[in-house]
Amino acid sequence: ETGVTQSPTHLIKTRGQQVTLRCSSQSGHNTVSWYQQALGQGPQFIFQYYREEENGRGNFPPRFSGLQFPNYSSELNVNALELDDSALYLCASSRTSGVHNEQFFGPGTRLTVL
Amino acid sequence: QQQVKQSPQSLIVQKGGIPIINCAYENTAFDYFPWYQQFPGKGPALLIAIRPDVSEKKEGRFTISFNKSAKQFSLHIMDSQPGDSATYFCAASIVQGQNFVFGPGTRLSVLP
Repeated sequence: ETGVTQSPTHLIKTRGQQVTLRCSSQSGHNTVSWYQQALGQGPQFIFQYYREEENGRGNFPPRFSGLQFPNYSSELNVNALELDDSALYLCASSRTSGVHNEQFFGPGTRLTVL
Repeated sequence: QQQVKQSPQSLIVQKGGIPIINCAYENTAFDYFPWYQQFPGKGPALLIAIRPDVSEKKEGRFTISFNKSAKQFSLHIMDSQPGDSATYFCAASIVQGQNFVFGPGTRLSVLP
């Protein structure tokens, strides 16, 4: 069983640019959630994808968007980057069926916006 | 009402001590309360979780105590070790495994 992987590990962008982050879910998982973790804070829920559809969204503006592919991998896109978007972006996958649908987190992508 | 409060912000204990981390919530619709451990450069990893129908759950050296009426829950780490030094997050969700609301985290240092 492979774990959740994310790419790239680190990324540096300038204000106003666009960025795409990628996540491969754990084998057997069909749900992917994305979180933003600012330095020294807990993760904040951005949105979740289930069967290629957005299935819940946190308090983030529309310039944060996502996709889920038929193999359940996912992308997070952020347009018009702002300095406050600098954070660790975490992807978590889970099974939605059954009782034990724990979220497994990837190692994250560290985004720095200059 | 969606917030989860967590204290203390940081904690230092000696090896063998029992650090206790406390969390509180307002939303009574929350029905799943996990604790995550995060090492530098890694994503959070689930330690232990509890539902509100039980008051205590133990897994190895980790224990969650849950007080439904007070809307509070806490993590106890028995016989703490230097390898337990990490940041700990409490969280809550309305549907198990969905849309977690995380606390701000507690940085634990266990001295040898």
